[in-house]
Amino acid sequence: NAGVTQTPKFRVLKTGQSMTLLCAQDMNHEYMYWYRQDPGMGLRLIHYSVGEGTTAKGEVPDGYNVSRLKKQNFLLGLESAAPSQTSVYFCAGGAGAGYTQYFGPGTRLTVL
Amino acid sequence: GQQVMQIPQYQHVQEGEDFTTYCNSSTTLSNIQWYKQRPGGHPVFLIQLVKSGEVKKQKRLTFQFGEAKKNSSLHITATQTTDVGTYFCAGIGGGSNYKLTFGKGTLLTVNP
Repeated sequence: NAGVTQTPKFRVLKTGQSMTLLCAQDMNHEYMYWYRQDPGMGLRLIHYSVGEGTTAKGEVPDGYNVSRLKKQNFLLGLESAAPSQTSVYFCAGGAGAGYTQYFGPGTRLTVL
Repeated sequence: GQQVMQIPQYQHVQEGEDFTTYCNSSTTLSNIQWYKQRPGGHPVFLIQLVKSGEVKKQKRLTFQFGEAKKNSSLHITATQTTDVGTYFCAGIGGGSNYKLTFGKGTLLTVNP
């Protein structure tokens, strides 16, 4: 089992460009999450999903959109990238609220 | 909203010294989880505490959950260089709540 995987691992964008980060899991997680990690800020929740076809806003949702058309995939989109979105993005999956979260390896995004 | 404060932000120790990080929540938690993130890596689940006053041990690591379920601590005895990393606590509030709230983490460095 691959667990939780993220694509791509690294990406450099110019301001205004768009991109989609893919998170895939083969652990049958019901819940999936997108976080961003910035120095000194810890992990901040962007969006999350409690099941296929559902999404909800987290702590810092502005500038991001998500979709969960299939249970195993959770996509994070940036429609018009800004330098403030330079960060490391982690996807995580879990069985439910309060359960262990399994993190992917992360995507390092730089917006110039 | 729920806030989870973690101190200290940084801790540098000599190998063999003990280390403690503290986590405090603004609200009562239904459970608390601890994660470790190695430099350049992703957060990895260590343990979950659920009961008031609970104490759990993993080799040299001791985890405690406060009686009021609003604070927790992680203590490492006789640190080793392999303990280097950032330790995060994450709590989930009582009632309907799909999200873990992460503390900002404590970065532990160990001088050999």
